[in-house]
Amino acid sequence: DAKTTQPTSMDCAEGRAANLPCNHSTISGNEYVYWYRQIHSQGPQYIIHGLKNNETNEMASLIITEDRKSSTLILPHATLRDTAVYYCIDHSGNTPLVFGKGTRLSVIA
Amino acid sequence: DAGVIQSPRHEVTEMGQEVTLRCKPISGHDYLFWYRQTMMRGLELLIYFNNNVPIDDSGMPEDRFSAKMPNASFSTLKIQPSEPRDSAVYFCASSLLGVQPQHFGDGTRLSIL
Repeated sequence: DAKTTQPTSMDCAEGRAANLPCNHSTISGNEYVYWYRQIHSQGPQYIIHGLKNNETNEMASLIITEDRKSSTLILPHATLRDTAVYYCIDHSGNTPLVFGKGTRLSVIA
Repeated sequence: DAGVIQSPRHEVTEMGQEVTLRCKPISGHDYLFWYRQTMMRGLELLIYFNNNVPIDDSGMPEDRFSAKMPNASFSTLKIQPSEPRDSAVYFCASSLLGVQPQHFGDGTRLSIL
């Protein structure tokens, strides 16, 4: 079973920042926070990951709290193409990913 | 840079037939994973390989399912005989050694009538 907790769904206006929260209440010291998304009819797509520092790449920013019990994925300027299911996963690498139900993000024009 | 390639993209067949799904991982990747996605159960692992050797097949539903990786660039997932409850989208993913992201193919949508 998935170890993380996410809201079932969220809406975001096009062009605005989308902030997706995740709770990692049982994350262990060697586990990273990973975020993936799945656009309809496609395979999951890697977005970003981090251990304890905040991270940024061309797709998104990841904010991890100091106690690592929660994280927030930020899409700075959401577009319609960002509509997808977003998954946060505690993962230590080279083991299978355990997907929960994720957050269904709807970007609205 | 070619991603993970799966074939076929869609498969419709009758109950009892043998089904073979194929996956070509990203060149140089050490790990290969097979996942299945259904509305009821979400995304779940079936089996994964490291350097062509099966590491964990505890997710394979039953003996009707088998997977092979004869070389570093090819893997198959076979269902024989197929049943309607096997209808799902099957994904293959690959990754490098270490704390590296998994890269997924676009999946095979399987329908067993």
